[in-house]
Amino acid sequence: GAVVSQHPSWVICKSGTSVKIECRSLDFQATTMFWYRQFPKQSLMLMATSNEGSKATYEQGVEKDKFLINHASLTLSTLTVTSAHPEDSSFYICSARPVTGYSGELFFGEGSRLTVL
Amino acid sequence: AQRVTQPEKLLSVFKGAPVELKCNYSYSGSPELFWYVQYSRQRLQLLLRHISRESIKGFTADLNKGETSFHLKKPFAQEEDSAMYYCALPDSNYQLIWGAGTKLIIKP
Repeated sequence: GAVVSQHPSWVICKSGTSVKIECRSLDFQATTMFWYRQFPKQSLMLMATSNEGSKATYEQGVEKDKFLINHASLTLSTLTVTSAHPEDSSFYICSARPVTGYSGELFFGEGSRLTVL
Repeated sequence: AQRVTQPEKLLSVFKGAPVELKCNYSYSGSPELFWYVQYSRQRLQLLLRHISRESIKGFTADLNKGETSFHLKKPFAQEEDSAMYYCALPDSNYQLIWGAGTKLIIKP
């Protein structure tokens, strides 16, 4: 099946620094990738929709200057948490929708756990 | 408004007992519904979709348009079924609308 690789799987950083998380579709092309945030024991919260070659669409309440998303190719999207603070600590998950296939079928990365000290 | 509701945050049943995870939806048009599963320390993955009418790991789900439901069922629960289950529905922009999820615990 289709594989999505997310890197790093966990990262610890100091407050005020920036962290970049990569999401790659390994064996398929994805025009659309999604970035989620998951709090403990809670459902997925969609942060933004990333479309290849265009600006990301952010959900209400998500700061676009805080969470920079770049989707430079059909197989790579990146999420950069800028000037991270402890409240940004969370589990970030990406998913990718193949160019072909059912519209609702998404393939997920393993997630990246960010801890900001 | 388009919405997916999973009324149970937690469902606990004994091994061998039947399982039903509830999902109700609100959607104008012909819906396309999915169940995703997240096992402990694993990524989210598609379990089944109503359009294919398949049975995966013994689970089935029937779309009931009259009751606007897509409940997930399994006649005999197994311990390895313990996981988080999410019901989802694509909106008009093909973004998935997620239910809040149900944590299923299978007791030995």
